[in-house]
Amino acid sequence: QSVLIQPPSASGTPGQRVTISCSGSNSNIGSNTVNWYQQVPGTAPRLLIFSNNQRPSGVPDRFSGSKSGTSASLAISGLQSEDEADYYCATWDNSLNILFGGGTKLTVL
Amino acid sequence: QVTLRETGPALVKPTQTLTLTCSFSGFSLTTSGMCVSWIRQSPGKALEWLALIDWDDYEYYNTSLKTRLTISKDTSENQVVLTMTNMDPVDTATYYCARTHNYGDEYYSDYWGQGTLVTVSS
Repeated sequence: QSVLIQPPSASGTPGQRVTISCSGSNSNIGSNTVNWYQQVPGTAPRLLIFSNNQRPSGVPDRFSGSKSGTSASLAISGLQSEDEADYYCATWDNSLNILFGGGTKLTVL
Repeated sequence: QVTLRETGPALVKPTQTLTLTCSFSGFSLTTSGMCVSWIRQSPGKALEWLALIDWDDYEYYNTSLKTRLTISKDTSENQVVLTMTNMDPVDTATYYCARTHNYGDEYYSDYWGQGTLVTVSS
């Protein structure tokens, strides 16, 4: 059981906006920035969002991140079939560990 | 361009020690803020961070696995090595190394290796 809690699944139709939540505590999300990774099954994870809301070069602006208190969210607007993947939140914890969420499987209907 | 590649045995027996090597290029582990992490993923499961070594030789370990893990680096060879002792079938996973940036209490991994599958079985 991951310390960072994500819904196991999410879904949407093409063009829709979907959000994925990540819930933590004061010792992790509440104190540190949140990152998001996308993983297409069978491939390595890809950094999608860092520092709560920053996109690395090459990541479409359809992807956005936010943080409030001990929770964070990833939003995907204009959903596309290629967005079907697993999404993980991650953050540093004051116990000197990097924590990953349990992952959310996004299905594009 | 930044690349990372994990190498090591595909199969280890229970109780054996696993040694994995991450060979990287395109960056230096002597640059301030630069780190390399090891992360694993058991089949069908979530990502699990294992260890990190930074430019200043600080080492951080997953608290629950700390007694079994050792991370080290060879900056001249651009390699980071992870050893995990007393392997068990539950350690069967794909093991990734990743370039990780550190700024204050912020850590994020922007380049990942392709991963190497390690199976623990007698």
